[in-house]
Amino acid sequence: DAGITQSPRYKITETGRQVTLMCHQTWSHSYMFWYRQDLGHGLRLIYYSAAADITDKGEVPDGYVVSRSKTENFPLTLESATRSQTSVYFCASSVNSLQETQYFGPGTRLLVL
Amino acid sequence: QKEVEQDPGPLSVPEGAIVSLNCTYSNSAFQYFMWYRQYSRKGPELLMYTYSSGNKEDGRFTAQVDKSSKYISLFIRDSQPSDSATYLCAMREYSGGGADGLTFGKGTHLIIQP
Repeated sequence: DAGITQSPRYKITETGRQVTLMCHQTWSHSYMFWYRQDLGHGLRLIYYSAAADITDKGEVPDGYVVSRSKTENFPLTLESATRSQTSVYFCASSVNSLQETQYFGPGTRLLVL
Repeated sequence: QKEVEQDPGPLSVPEGAIVSLNCTYSNSAFQYFMWYRQYSRKGPELLMYTYSSGNKEDGRFTAQVDKSSKYISLFIRDSQPSDSATYLCAMREYSGGGADGLTFGKGTHLIIQP
């Protein structure tokens, strides 16, 4: 199906393990974003990417790594998961930086034990 | 520092009522304002966006921006149970070069009682 998809939808892992969350979009949008959503904090930007091979930090980047070798994919890696990274992670995309509409994926619920 | 304030609720109203949802912000550089709706266990979806001060209407939804007061509102007329969701305000500065994400409010949980 066309759109923006995330996988896995649910993930349980242990402290110290590496975890990669996948994001794929079929619109060929230039910009992609990773947010985390926590009670009491709302949505916070982790990283964003303006195009393939161009990424930049958002508000809460510590402990995360991103890459963008292809326009359609924007994986997010937790190098050594911590309990504070338990959250719901949303990927989003938009046509360009001046495009107000960001389209969100369905989210990945991550639990770090 | 970017900061957006939004009452988390829950806000419970009877079906058919007019709903008013609000956000305040402190960063005068914000120029684009959006409202997203998020159903439980789903991603946010864009409802409304505005650039200038004033009102913008789309069906039962009206977005209002008052830049002088740093205050935005979303009104829902003839509210329906299907409007029950969390409503997130979001805003961004004008960025002529690089990309920037949105700054979100924490969301207001709205319940429309049948």
